[in-house]
This record gives sequence, structure tokens and C-alpha cells, in this order.
Amino acid sequence: ETGVTQSPTHLIKTRGQQVTLRCSSQSGHNTVSWYQQALGQGPQFIFQYYREEENGRGNFPPRFSGLQFPNYSSELNVNALELDDSALYLCASSWSSGGHGYTFGSGTRLTVV
Amino acid sequence: DAKTTQPPSMDCAEGRAANLPCNHSTISGNEYVYWYRQIHSQGPQYIIHGLKNNETNEMASLIITEDRKSSTLILPHATLRDTAVYYCIVRIPNTGGFKTIFGAGTRLFVKA
Repeated sequence: ETGVTQSPTHLIKTRGQQVTLRCSSQSGHNTVSWYQQALGQGPQFIFQYYREEENGRGNFPPRFSGLQFPNYSSELNVNALELDDSALYLCASSWSSGGHGYTFGSGTRLTVV
Repeated sequence: DAKTTQPPSMDCAEGRAANLPCNHSTISGNEYVYWYRQIHSQGPQYIIHGLKNNETNEMASLIITEDRKSSTLILPHATLRDTAVYYCIVRIPNTGGFKTIFGAGTRLFVKA
């Protein structure tokens, strides 16, 4: 079975721009969560999607938005990028909304200059 | 929201058991304890989870105290490849879903 794959692996954007990050869930998983991890800190929960609907959100502004597609792949969109948005963005999938154990991808390293 | 407290760092000699503690004194009755680890520049990796009873799998053992206010992750024979940041997490229900809140974790250094 394939794991969670994220693209791109690295990305450099300019402040004020918009970015889309992509995630393919592990086969059989219908739930995806996104996390932001700043250097030296633990991952911070952004939001979770279950069957194409957002069903949980952390303390992130509305300029962080997402989508989940019928094949359970997902996108994270960030508008009006700020320098503090520079971080590792992690996607994790699981088999249900409250499932045990998430499978994480290796992340997308976003640098905002 | 239940939160966890972990020591920021620990050392362990290669081949010895690594015992990583976690305090979760405000855990509620239906919340599980999960452990993940993150090796540099990779995504977190699931290790083990438990509710009340002690658990063991091929990677580690999880010991949960009877009052469930703390737990210990045990790596029975630590290797250099076990050097990583270890996160102790309790699951919290949120708007129909669950959110997994990571703290700063414990940075484990396994030394030869």
C-alpha cells in the first residue's frame, strides 16, 4: 500500500502571494488533516477533512483554506502569504474521522520571502 | 482541552531501555494517549496508543498509570536510529472530528 505523498517538497514564495499544497492520502484512508510546523516546534493543527467536508479547525485565520476531493486527496491553500507562514506543512491521513493513528507525509517546506 | 507535559530532552545509551515520561493530568475518560516520533526532516511516525491498559507492539511498550494521569513510553533496546523527537498526545473531540495537539515533545538522544 502507498503512504501519504505531498507535493511539492520545497517551495519559495513572496509575501502577499498565494500557495497551494497537495496531499495524496494513504490508500483506504478517508480523513485528512493538515499541520503547520515551525522550526523547533511541534506540529500545529490547521484543519481536518472527512468525506470532503471540514470537521475540525485549529486557531488559523480564514486565509488558510482547504479542499478534499472524492478520491480523498486534499489541498491546502494559503492566501496573502506572510513571512511567519514559513514552515513545514504536514498532511496526515487516517481511516475515519476519529481513527486511531495518523499516517503523515514528509511535508512541504514553504519559505516566504 | 487536555494537554501533555514532557521533558524537553533525554539521553539514552545504545542497547539500553529508553523510558520517556508524559504527564496528562487533565485527561478525560474517553481520551486516548498516543505516541508519535519525528526524525529530522520527516513527518511524525505513529508508535503506539492506549486508553487504560498497558500496550505493546513491535516498536515499543506503553505503560499508563491507573489514574491515567501519566504514561511512559518504553523503547526496550534503543538504537542510534531511535534518536528523534517523541510526542505524547491525547485525542480531543472537536466539532465532529478529532484534533491531535502536539506539544514540544521530548528530544531523545541515543548515544553509542
